[in-house]
Amino acid sequence: GENVEQHPSTLSVQEGDSAVIKCTYSDSASNYFPWYKQELGKRPQLIIDIRSNVGEKKDQRIAVTLNKTAKHFSLHITETQPEDSAVYFCAASGQNFVFGPGTRLSVLP
Amino acid sequence: SQTIHQWPATLVQPVGSPLSLECTVEGTSNPNLYWYRQAAGRGLQLLFYSVGIGQISSEVPQNLSASRPQDRQFILSSKKLLLSDSGFYLCAWSSGLFNQAELFFGSGTQLSVL
Repeated sequence: GENVEQHPSTLSVQEGDSAVIKCTYSDSASNYFPWYKQELGKRPQLIIDIRSNVGEKKDQRIAVTLNKTAKHFSLHITETQPEDSAVYFCAASGQNFVFGPGTRLSVLP
Repeated sequence: SQTIHQWPATLVQPVGSPLSLECTVEGTSNPNLYWYRQAAGRGLQLLFYSVGIGQISSEVPQNLSASRPQDRQFILSSKKLLLSDSGFYLCAWSSGLFNQAELFFGSGTQLSVL
């Protein structure tokens, strides 16, 4: 089955800096790669996703890149703000849907 | 618009007691429904998913079970809780299965088994 690894597990950045979270997956049949943000004590919410026919997608300060050959994808957050502090989960979906273990991002003022 | 309701928000149960968590979705028909568990500081583990009434797929063998008695109702149950069942349980729905659509999560149930 699918296995998703995510790095780093924790990440601290200064406000205004960029943050990058990387994920790798094992199942070459996976073709949908969403990213979810979970603030403390709240439900996860989708922030951006990418399908396998696209290499990059951007939505304001967040972007996702996908390398299907290498089976890895990344989340990029630019000009980070304190409200970006949360746990971020990547996921890979094909025959089944598997989340990564999460990255706790802290944006320091 | 679609909404998902999950209750209770918190639950403290003794070891060996039964469990019933309920989730309902409004504003859509024939949703795909999911139960996830999140251990403290950990990722999201898929427990069960359902594509229709009475259709349940189990991802992880354990002492939990799920049922879907109505189109928009999903129930997570256990006959006897274990300490290891403690965690944050999230119900979710989507209009498509897995790789086809966004997952919308409920507000979660924090279960503590003592």
